[in-house]
This record gives sequence, C-alpha cells and structure tokens, in this order.
Amino acid sequence: ETGVTQTPRHLVMGMTNKKSLKCEQHLGHNAMYWYKQSAKKPLELMFVYSLEERVENNSVPSRFSPECPNSSHLFLHLHTLQPEDSALYLCASSQDARTGSEQYFGPGTRLTVT
Amino acid sequence: GEDVEQSLFLSVREGDSSVINCTYTDSSSTYLYWYKQEPGAGLQLLTYIFSNMDMKQDQRLTVLLNKKDKHLSLRIADTQTGDSAIYFCAESNPHRAGNNRKLIWGLGTSLAVNP
Repeated sequence: ETGVTQTPRHLVMGMTNKKSLKCEQHLGHNAMYWYKQSAKKPLELMFVYSLEERVENNSVPSRFSPECPNSSHLFLHLHTLQPEDSALYLCASSQDARTGSEQYFGPGTRLTVT
Repeated sequence: GEDVEQSLFLSVREGDSSVINCTYTDSSSTYLYWYKQEPGAGLQLLTYIFSNMDMKQDQRLTVLLNKKDKHLSLRIADTQTGDSAIYFCAESNPHRAGNNRKLIWGLGTSLAVNP
C-alpha cells in the first residue's frame, strides 16, 4: 500500500449505529487531518493531529470522536449521527502541521446516514 | 471572514487550453493552491504558488497570480479527456488570527473535456 488509504470506501448507517472510519498513511508523515466534503459547500477541516496530539478541533459535534493511536493511523468514531452528516469524509496527511505543508489525501469514505 | 470563489463549471474541447479562475479575499494570503479531484478519488495537489511570485509553470500547467486583484488562475495547455475533474482553489495564511493551519477552499470548478 502506498500513500493514504481509507476504509471503508462506502458506509451506510442508521442514526443509532456506532461505526468507525479508518485512515492509514504510508508516507512517514507526522500530521493527519479529517475533512468533511459536502455538496455545494467548501471543504471543512474537522480535526488536525500532529505527532498523535490533537492540535485542532473546529467546533465539530461530539458525535464525531477522532483517535490517533500513532502517527500512521487515524480513526473517526461515529455515533448517533444525523442525516445531515452524510458526506464524503477525507483523510489527509502532511510532513508536519505547519501551514503550507503539502497535504496528501486519501480517496475518502462516502457516508450515508439513514 | 476569508473567502475563495470559483466558477462552478467549465467545458472545453480536447486539445484546447483551459483556464480556471479563482478570487480570494485575504490580501495576506501566503500560499495559493490548486487541487484536482477525479471521480471517486481524494484531492491531489497539482501545484501551488507563493504570494511573492507572479507565475509558475509546470509542464502543461501555468499558474498566474495577480495579488492586486486577488486573482489566481490555472491554465491547462492541450487539455485532454483525462483532465476532466473538479479543480479546487485554496489559500492559507500562517499569520491569520485564530486558525492559522486552516486552508480556505473554493467550491471547485468542474472541468468537462469534450472529445
């Protein structure tokens, strides 16, 4: 595997379910990101981790819970989501979390909340 | 707040040049980026330009920056069907108050290349 991988690629879940999205980067980077991409909206930065420490949380509802056990892996735990949470969730990594550090994106998880 | 705007659609014929335009509001933007998103894929960084540059060329891609007008453009020469994708403009400013890691993104321009 190379680059940034995400699993699953597609996920359908009910509002009462609990699920997790997984991201893995094989680039030796120290920073990882979760983004939400919704139709007709700009890309929204959700969380930033640098060296496994969360350095940014952009007012994301608590039903989204990130976890970064090491610099190569990032999870997004989901529970009691709402239909408006349906979107493409993108993971990215970069060498470090400084502005301007080139971000490499995974293919995304297409989430549908029913 | 800061904003980035792009036209939503562009259609060109194969072999022609494509020009995708972007405007931004933060006059202190330091880095300006162009990302490409193909169907079913994540975003791929195509190129970026520092605010102290006017132009950057990389093979078929030419980026022009007009700081006075806060206008960025991406020109794709000899556009191919494989260039069909959504192109996102983004900017960042490490000195921005509050959230200096955040990229400000446009909504993306969907480029359709017709054979």
